[in-house]
Amino acid sequence: KAGVTQTPRYLIKTRGQQVTLSCSPISGHRSVSWYQQTPGQGLQFLFEYFSETQRNKGNFPGRFSGRQFSNSRSEMNVSTLELGDSALYLCASSLGRDLYEQYFGPGTRLTVT
Amino acid sequence: AQSVTQLGSHVSVSEGALVLLRCNYSSSVPPYLFWYVQYPNQGLQLLLKYTTGATLVKGINGFEAEFKKSETSFHLTKPSAHMSDAAEYFCAVTPGGIKAAGNKLTFGGGTRVLVKP
Repeated sequence: KAGVTQTPRYLIKTRGQQVTLSCSPISGHRSVSWYQQTPGQGLQFLFEYFSETQRNKGNFPGRFSGRQFSNSRSEMNVSTLELGDSALYLCASSLGRDLYEQYFGPGTRLTVT
Repeated sequence: AQSVTQLGSHVSVSEGALVLLRCNYSSSVPPYLFWYVQYPNQGLQLLLKYTTGATLVKGINGFEAEFKKSETSFHLTKPSAHMSDAAEYFCAVTPGGIKAAGNKLTFGGGTRVLVKP
């Protein structure tokens, strides 16, 4: 069974631009979560989608948004990029909630210049 | 609110020696606890988890962890380190039971393990 895939793997953007990252969960998984990983702040939860609905949200500004499609694929969008948005963005999928194991993708490395 | 503290951002062990990574958590409700490992340029891989039941949890690659409620700890151990254990390890918590918060994990700052031959 294929794992979680994230595209693109690397991305360089300029401050003020917007970016869209994509995550394809493991087949059959309905939950997709997004995390931001930076050296200074560590791993921080962005949001979770389950059956196309946002179920949880972290403490990030409204510039960060996401969505989930009927096939469970998810995208996250960051508008008006700031230098501080440079990070590794990780996507994780699971069958459902709570006790189900989350499987992480390799991440998208975003660099904002 | 929940939080996780991992004592020691870097740990160096000799091959064959005990690996001990410390994790303390704060949670107002019974927690679910996790340990993840991250190898360079990769995502996170679940080592083990505690939800309910037995407090000593065994995971993959010879790792185990013990949930100690009285100490609010969930330390990770491995009796004998291998070179392949060199990686970064993250402890994470999420509310459990009736307060379960889906898949929203709060992570500790991570501990980078160096294994010396």
